[in-house]
Amino acid sequence: EIVLTQSPTTLSLSPGESATLSCRASQSVSSYLAWYQQKPGQAPRLLIYDASNRATGIPARFRGSGSETDFTLTISSLEPEDFAVYYCQQRSNWPPITFGQGTRLDIK
Amino acid sequence: EVQLVESGGGLVQPGGSLRLSCAASGFTFSRSWMSWVRQAPGKGLEWVANIKQDGSESYYVDSVKGRFTISRDNAKSSLYVQMNSLRAEDTAVYYCARAASDLSGAFDVWGQGTMVTVSS
Repeated sequence: EIVLTQSPTTLSLSPGESATLSCRASQSVSSYLAWYQQKPGQAPRLLIYDASNRATGIPARFRGSGSETDFTLTISSLEPEDFAVYYCQQRSNWPPITFGQGTRLDIK
Repeated sequence: EVQLVESGGGLVQPGGSLRLSCAASGFTFSRSWMSWVRQAPGKGLEWVANIKQDGSESYYVDSVKGRFTISRDNAKSSLYVQMNSLRAEDTAVYYCARAASDLSGAFDVWGQGTMVTVSS
């Protein structure tokens, strides 16, 4: 089973700042990595697929990068609606499909 | 509008059974792998099971193997999961999700979720 480890667990920033979220895989997932955003009481929303491709309707301030075992989600110039929990997910070597434990992005 | 709507959640005693349903609309259901993903209260996301377009293949996380069965009815554009021998640790919001084949299987459409509580 591929384990995804996200860091940091919590990130406290102010609107207008940039956020850098990390996801590390226990073995290579090639580029089969996705990022999701989840707000309280809502279902997750797909942001990034194949490590660096934005899903339909996702603003350009969300950028994914990385390959193999190290991945980054960068959110530039944070908007108030960006404060949420973010998960990475792999489907390179499955089953099982696995998610990271999440990074909570809080308003400072 | 592309939509998934889950139903069937509720309170069930340990050892009991429950069947969840997910009604799809706005896309060609029979062309998509479908999954169930759950989220325990205050916890992260956990993939539970998925099923191929024609229902010929299905896969499960180890913790539910032998207890949960995923199925689909393409004529009704519906996904199901039969959950037997339920345990307290199965308590979660259960989401159905579409795996987009053109997005390398990323989950691009999610339902709103249905809550399952296993408690005496």
